[in-house]
Amino acid sequence: DAKTTQPTSMDCAEGRAANLPCNHSTISGNEYVYWYRQIHSQGPQYIIHGLKNNETNEMASLIITEDRKSSTLILPHATLRDTAVYYCIVIGIGTSYDKVIFGPGTSLSVIP
Amino acid sequence: DTGVSQDPRHKITKRGQNVTFRCDPISEHNRLYWYRQTLGQGPEFLTYFQNEAQLEKSRLLSDRFSAERPKGSFSTLEIQRTEQGDSAMYLCASSVGQGARGSNQPQHFGDGTRLSIL
Repeated sequence: DAKTTQPTSMDCAEGRAANLPCNHSTISGNEYVYWYRQIHSQGPQYIIHGLKNNETNEMASLIITEDRKSSTLILPHATLRDTAVYYCIVIGIGTSYDKVIFGPGTSLSVIP
Repeated sequence: DTGVSQDPRHKITKRGQNVTFRCDPISEHNRLYWYRQTLGQGPEFLTYFQNEAQLEKSRLLSDRFSAERPKGSFSTLEIQRTEQGDSAMYLCASSVGQGARGSNQPQHFGDGTRLSIL
């Protein structure tokens, strides 16, 4: 059962890249890494997920290390609207959802 | 944009009362999940359905909690005899699923129902 650890908070200057790390050293071979973010008083918003290859979509890029024990979410040009709590979780085919732990996430503040 | 819809957005009730929340998932999604979230914490899994079948329930889900998805579309979460500790945000999510647990498709969340117990 893969648990993730993330820094409690981070700051990023507006317009710069925000790099949010996540450790998942006990990840299993069939477990995907998912990233969500949550803006105050809204539900979590899906950002991106991946298994072992790096992934990119219109919102962000996901870099997964070769040993899969950690990953980094990259917001290439952070805006004030990216201020949110970012969650990294791992879920695999066959995972019991009771063992999926969101944790407190990383509170990202984008500073003007 | 027809995302996951939850009703009501806010519910205030007295301790001991029963409450029911509704969730309408994204129409083509056959999986539906319920989570609870308290202040400063991430969502905690409560239960999930594949179509109308409830496939998993969390250890957190006491006997006072019951969830249904009778026709495999919308779902309801009922809390009986509410307690102060039930005050939280209740989140619903949906996803596409194949087989009992054979999918990596992401969950899409609604904006939740905030429950306050007086």
